[in-house]
Amino acid sequence: GAVVSQHPSWVICKSGTSVKIECRSLDFQATTMFWYRQFPKQSLMLMATSNEGSKATYEQGVEKDKFLINHASLTLSTLTVTSAHPEDSSFYICSARRTGGLETQYFGPGTRLLVL
Amino acid sequence: GESVGLHLPTLSVQEGDNSIINCAYSNSASDYFIWYKQESGKGPQFIIDIRSNMDKRQGQRVTVLLNKTVKHLSLQIAATQPGDSAVYFCAESWMDSSYKLIFGSGTRLLVRP
Repeated sequence: GAVVSQHPSWVICKSGTSVKIECRSLDFQATTMFWYRQFPKQSLMLMATSNEGSKATYEQGVEKDKFLINHASLTLSTLTVTSAHPEDSSFYICSARRTGGLETQYFGPGTRLLVL
Repeated sequence: GESVGLHLPTLSVQEGDNSIINCAYSNSASDYFIWYKQESGKGPQFIIDIRSNMDKRQGQRVTVLLNKTVKHLSLQIAATQPGDSAVYFCAESWMDSSYKLIFGSGTRLLVRP
């Protein structure tokens, strides 16, 4: 159990367009999900904490109007990169924490975004 | 604070040897630590975790050691196999932050056949 999926697995878009990435917990409910960004040969950087039914909490330096997060159900969180630019090209990874769980996060397979 | 690596240090070991990967964490309030394995193009895979009230925990072929005095964490892999080749990250978290994860900079493990 504890499987997290992401869709799409990769996306190429033109500069100025918006891209939506979905994160789903397939076999458990997740009150809290997390979004990370990873540049090549670097570590995972936490972008924001997504809580079901409330506003996301963004890390310092992450623009909330640029990276829109919606967590409308206990199994789905979405990240929308608005007006994407080439510097937004990255590997975006989500994780989910089981409702009632304390520490353990289950990670998705990641979404590769390339902005041309 | 957050750790950003400009490059990944690499550990090269012979197949069958033991591997030791080290990590220094930053927050003395951290009370939960996890090691992840990441293969190219994939999300992190949980390996083993340890709470701050312990200094050692063993899993299958892996052992995590925690030294809170010097804020140091290590991952030992016994009888390293080619399938162990990947990037390994430690992560720290603490209760007051709702257990959000702060990742270390990572180490690339290369296993020579």
